[in-house]
Amino acid sequence: DAKTTQPPSMDCAEGRAANLPCNHSTISGNEYVYWYRQIHSQGPQYIIHGLKNNETNEMASLIITEDRKSSTLILPHATLRDTAVYYCIVRGSGTYKYIFGTGTRLKVLA
Amino acid sequence: GAVVSQHPSRVICKSGTSVKIECRSLDFQATTMFWYRQFPKKSLMLMATSNEGSKATYEQGVEKDKFLINHASLTLSTLTVTSAHPEDSSFYICSAPGIDNQPQHFGDGTRLSIL
Repeated sequence: DAKTTQPPSMDCAEGRAANLPCNHSTISGNEYVYWYRQIHSQGPQYIIHGLKNNETNEMASLIITEDRKSSTLILPHATLRDTAVYYCIVRGSGTYKYIFGTGTRLKVLA
Repeated sequence: GAVVSQHPSRVICKSGTSVKIECRSLDFQATTMFWYRQFPKKSLMLMATSNEGSKATYEQGVEKDKFLINHASLTLSTLTVTSAHPEDSSFYICSAPGIDNQPQHFGDGTRLSIL
């Protein structure tokens, strides 16, 4: 089973920040959180990952709570092209396997 | 640029045909690769782990004889859907793990349609 839970869907106005939450309450101390997105009929696209510190790159920011039981992916200025399904993944200890949850379907509205 | 190349991107064939899908790692070696299956509006489901030089490890409920996996070299894994039927129609995706805690690299997927 997936180690993460996400809301099934969210809407965001174009130009506004999109904040996508993820719960991973059973995460272990050395397990990273990975975020991907999938646009229809394409493979998942890597966005960002982190362990415990907040991370930022050209695509997004990742905020991880101090207890590491949840995180939030922030797209600072959402565009229509950000409409996709976003997956938060915690890889199991001792394995490279990803078990995908249901993800969040983000719809950016004009 | 893409670090994992998957081919073909789309295939349509008749029922009973066997179909081979290739997954290549570009510019890096992958002793392990993963194969996923995805139905419309559903999440990715891990089918199996492909291991270079040894047998693949299948997830529970995945038919080994239906989905043959071969990891012939450090840059190539293949998935063969044997005697495909319409219910095997799906989107198949491969990936290769990054080093240590680096993220997995995914292919662009193969849309398989069995008529």
